[in-house]
Amino acid sequence: GAGVSQSPSNKVTEKGKDVELRCDPISGHTALYWYRQRLGQGLEFLIYFQGNSAPDKSGLPSDRFSAERTGESVSTLTIQRTQQEDSAVYLCASSLARGRGYTFGSGTRLTVV
Amino acid sequence: GQQLNQSPQSMFIQEGEDVSMNCTSSSIFNTWLWYKQDPGEGPVLLIALYKAGELTSNGRLTAQFGITRKDSFLNISASIPSDVGIYFCAGYYFGNEKLTFGTGTRLTIIP
Repeated sequence: GAGVSQSPSNKVTEKGKDVELRCDPISGHTALYWYRQRLGQGLEFLIYFQGNSAPDKSGLPSDRFSAERTGESVSTLTIQRTQQEDSAVYLCASSLARGRGYTFGSGTRLTVV
Repeated sequence: GQQLNQSPQSMFIQEGEDVSMNCTSSSIFNTWLWYKQDPGEGPVLLIALYKAGELTSNGRLTAQFGITRKDSFLNISASIPSDVGIYFCAGYYFGNEKLTFGTGTRLTIIP
């Protein structure tokens, strides 16, 4: 598509439930990032995919967080046993190449109640 | 790890005024990016800088990649109401692979 698409745009879940967030990058973009943005805060790096290389998971805050990406297509971010501190906007970005300008999606606003 | 200090944290200006904000890093970057974020939206790329010393303009926006590769500034001339939002700098270093973001500058235009 023309831009990075994320779904759902909003998600309200009960504490302890699992959630899955989806990101459709721009076609042909090899690099894909997930970021988390808490209310009024900056962007916190979570995970990075580059082509078929092993992902950089160094930003994942706990083992409840995981992400997958098949080739250069869709990525899913899964949060297991959600906690209230997981409430945030989860942003996905993709890029044509390493170090080039990244295009962000509009994010998924996750609220854990 | 790499850290970006962005200043000022907030700005209150009148329409028509010029704006300047900057980012400094404790280590070098290969790429500097400037983003603007509106409420409820993802950041939108304004300007990308790929070479030390590079000065790039995009309409009323001008940004520079510092010679030391540790800093960058963004200027907005003749501000208008739609400039309101949060501006983020971001740096990329080959080998680190992470896009590191500054803490943001919130721009407010006073009527």
